[in-house]
Order: sequence, then structure tokens, then C-alpha cells
Amino acid sequence: DTGVSQNPRHKITKRGQNVTFRCDPISEHNRLYWYRQTLGQGPEFLTYFQNEAQLEKSRLLSDRFSAERPKGSFSTLEIQRTEQGDSAMYLCASRSGPGNTIYFGEGSWLTVV
Amino acid sequence: AQTVTQSQPEMSVQEAETVTLSCTYDTSESDYYLFWYKQPPSRQMILVIRQEAYKQQNATENRFSVNFQKAAKSFSLKISDSQLGDAAMYFCAYSGGSNAGGTSYGKLTFGQGTILTVHP
Repeated sequence: DTGVSQNPRHKITKRGQNVTFRCDPISEHNRLYWYRQTLGQGPEFLTYFQNEAQLEKSRLLSDRFSAERPKGSFSTLEIQRTEQGDSAMYLCASRSGPGNTIYFGEGSWLTVV
Repeated sequence: AQTVTQSQPEMSVQEAETVTLSCTYDTSESDYYLFWYKQPPSRQMILVIRQEAYKQQNATENRFSVNFQKAAKSFSLKISDSQLGDAAMYFCAYSGGSNAGGTSYGKLTFGQGTILTVHP
């Protein structure tokens, strides 16, 4: 069990550029979640996958955001035409079916300048 | 919609003493889970303890225990024998259970967090 892995850990980008984050969940975890956290706040749910199916998207996930989980393994979160308001930490989490314990990765920090 | 409220933005405790962090929540679901997560400066969210709503017995993990008051929708965390390494932001979180059937199943709703400082 190597834990949930996210990369890159930090990304600085200019406004208007596209960025992509990757998440590798704990193996055998079929559910994968993306959250966004700004400084001093609790994480906010963005979207989740069961295997390769994206089952729910938050209204926070604007059209500029897209997430995929091909083959039900790793997942990517892409932000197009980044805005300064997108600056946050993007957390990935995963869990297996029963038990409902969700494990988090270390997060990917995004700074839009 | 489910909500989680942590009314203490900051708390402090002396090393080796006991501290209690408060959390209240609101839900209409009968099947759910409650969690306390710790987020140190390294930023990784670490599970501290969890409670299944159908269990009357309060969960305990070493120095960490909860006081789960289901009727009052209260879920406080007690840290005994506080250590310097306990200093972090603590989040209370809610998740609907498999029988909830609603959109809260599996995903976490977090409170605003409580910053815990431990003084040597």
C-alpha cells in the first residue's frame, strides 16, 4: 500500500494557460475523488469516479474543468484557461467499497499568476 | 444538504494536557459516518478517527476519542496527553452511508477547521 500519489506537487502557471494534475489512487480502490482547498478553508468536493465512470460533478466544476479516469486506474484533472481564482490546492482521495474510509494524497498546489 | 460546523477557529493546549474540539452537523439521513481528519503543515489530510452513526459506542483510537451525541448532532474530538506533533488543523467531516441513497454517499463534507496549537 503506497498511498494516494499526486503530481505535480506544485505548479505555477500564467493566467490563461492550461494545467493538468494526475492522481494515482491506492490500488484496488475503485472510488476516486477530487477536492479543492483554499487557504484556511476545508476541502470542497469537485467530482468522483467509480471505476472509470464519473458519477457526480459539483457545481464548482465549471466548464473549464475536466476530469477523467481512463481504465479506472489513475485520474487526471485538467483546468483550461486558468484564472487567478483557480489558485488552490487540489486534493485527490480514494477508497474501496465497504468501510467508507477515504484516504487522501498530499495534494497539488496551483498558483496562477 | 448536509452541513458541518466547527465553531472554534483556534484552540490551544499545553503539552500532556487534554483538549476537546467541537463539531456539529446537520443531516436528514439516518445512515452516515463522521470523521476527524488532521492536516499538519505538510498539508496531507490524515484520518484520525471515524464513527459510524449506527454505533452507540464512542470510537477511540489511542489518545483520541470522540463524544458522539446523535440526537444533538454533535461530534467532538478529545485529545488526551497532547503532544507537540498533534499541532495541526483539524477537520470534522460527514459522509452519507451506503443506505443513505443520496448524493452524500461516499463523498465528504468538511467543516471549516480548527487550528490546534500545542505549547511545550
